Amino acid sequence: QSVLTQPPSVSGAPGQRVTISCTGSSSNIGAGYDVHWYQQLPGTAPKLLIYGNNNRPSGVPDRFSGSKSGTSASLAITGLQAEDEADYYCQSYDSSLSGWVFGGGTKLTVL
Amino acid sequence: QVQLVQSGAEVKKPGASVKVSCKASGYTFTGYYMHWVRQAPGHGLEWMGWIAPNSGGTKYAQKFQGRVTLTRDTSISTAYMELSRLRSDDTAIYYCAIGGYSSSWFLNWYFDLWGRGTLVTVSS
Repeated sequence: QSVLTQPPSVSGAPGQRVTISCTGSSSNIGAGYDVHWYQQLPGTAPKLLIYGNNNRPSGVPDRFSGSKSGTSASLAITGLQAEDEADYYCQSYDSSLSGWVFGGGTKLTVL
Repeated sequence: QVQLVQSGAEVKKPGASVKVSCKASGYTFTGYYMHWVRQAPGHGLEWMGWIAPNSGGTKYAQKFQGRVTLTRDTSISTAYMELSRLRSDDTAIYYCAIGGYSSSWFLNWYFDLWGRGTLVTVSS
C-alpha cells in the first residue's frame, strides 16, 4: 500500500482533458512538502513531468499542469494525445518515514 | 551529453548480494546527490536511499536499513548500490537518478535524470 494514493487507471478520448489525483496525509503533502509528477512509458525510465507542484521542466508541453491543495495534488492533461498513454506517478517527502515516497501509479489509456 | 549509465542485468540466488553500478558523465559527479529507486515487475516506484558523492554521506529508506549500502568512487564518477540477503521480492529494476529540490527546501527532492535501470532477478 503506497503512502500516496492514486487511482489505478484513468482514460479519455483524444482531445479530452483528464486529471489524476494524488492523495496524501499530514505527514507528506499536508505538511507542505512539494509534489512532483513523472511519466513512464512502457519499458523506459520515469521522466520528470512536473516539479514543485506546478512547474514544467523545459520541453514538457503546456498541456500538462499540476496543482496542490491541502493533503492532495492533481495532474491535469488537456488535449489528450495517443502518445500520452503511459503510467503516471506522484512523489513527495514523508516526515513519518523520513524519506521520499511515490504514489502507486496511474495507468492512462487514450481511447 | 549528460547521462547515467548503469551496469547490466543480474541473476542472483536468494540470500546472495548484488552490486549495481551507475556511471555519471556530462556533469560534475560530486555536485549532485545520487538517489536509487527500484520498481518491482508490474509495481510502482520505491525510493531506496541517496549518497552524497562529495562526502560519501548516505541516507537510507527505513525499509532497506541494514540491507542496502550506497558507495561511490569519485575517481571514475561512479556510484554503487549493494543489496544483501536477497529475497525473491527484491526482483526489480533498480534505477539511479539525480535531480534538484524545489522551493529552496532540501526535502523537496525531485529526479530529472535517470539511468536506464538494471534488472535484478532473484531466483533459486
